[in-house]
Amino acid sequence: AQSVAQPEDQVNVAEGNPLTVKCTYSVSGNPYLFWYVQYPNRGLQFLLKYITGDNLVKGSYGFEAEFNKSQTSFHLKKPSALVSDSALYFCAVRDLGKINKFYFGSGTKLNVKP
Amino acid sequence: DVKVTQSSRYLVKRTGEKVFLECVQDMDHENMFWYRQDPGLGLRLIYFSYDVKMKEKGDIPEGYSVSREKKERFSLILESASTNQTSMYLCASTLGGARRADTQYFGPGTRLTVL
Repeated sequence: AQSVAQPEDQVNVAEGNPLTVKCTYSVSGNPYLFWYVQYPNRGLQFLLKYITGDNLVKGSYGFEAEFNKSQTSFHLKKPSALVSDSALYFCAVRDLGKINKFYFGSGTKLNVKP
Repeated sequence: DVKVTQSSRYLVKRTGEKVFLECVQDMDHENMFWYRQDPGLGLRLIYFSYDVKMKEKGDIPEGYSVSREKKERFSLILESASTNQTSMYLCASTLGGARRADTQYFGPGTRLTVL
């Protein structure tokens, strides 16, 4: 069965410092991986996705994610955090059998302090 | 840009009431989803629809039903609301077909409180 784990409930980082939000996955076959961001009292917004090809994927708002097949990870990164990046981040993987099923992690709250 | 709208941002209902949550998307997407979001649990799929009048149960369908009479509209129904259905409800859509690279587009969410 497919699954996604986000091992950190919360990540704290100072503005200007690099940030990493971790995600590991378990799938059979090649994964389709996504990152979404949720601001308070809002729906989820798409940030980026990995389908195939280059292991470093660039997305919205300066975020990028690195796909690592051997470690089954898809960590979200940003070189320099902004206070406005503070939000809830979700990693998701698409089920390869039932094509319309997505598995979401439990979410990681990112706090960027001035 | 895809736009997914939900009928209410905040809703307060009483136990036993019948509750309707509506979702509309404007990009002719085939697939529509209803999730509930609870702290520490991420998103859990309630129901999914891949075409008009077609639906599939998700992971937690108990206590819920859905209706899709038109392609752009997907309704979630709580037949008899209970306090354990207090949650944030999110609607999403994807283009559909066999496109595994499909991105989900989400509505703003409805925060439902059942008293």
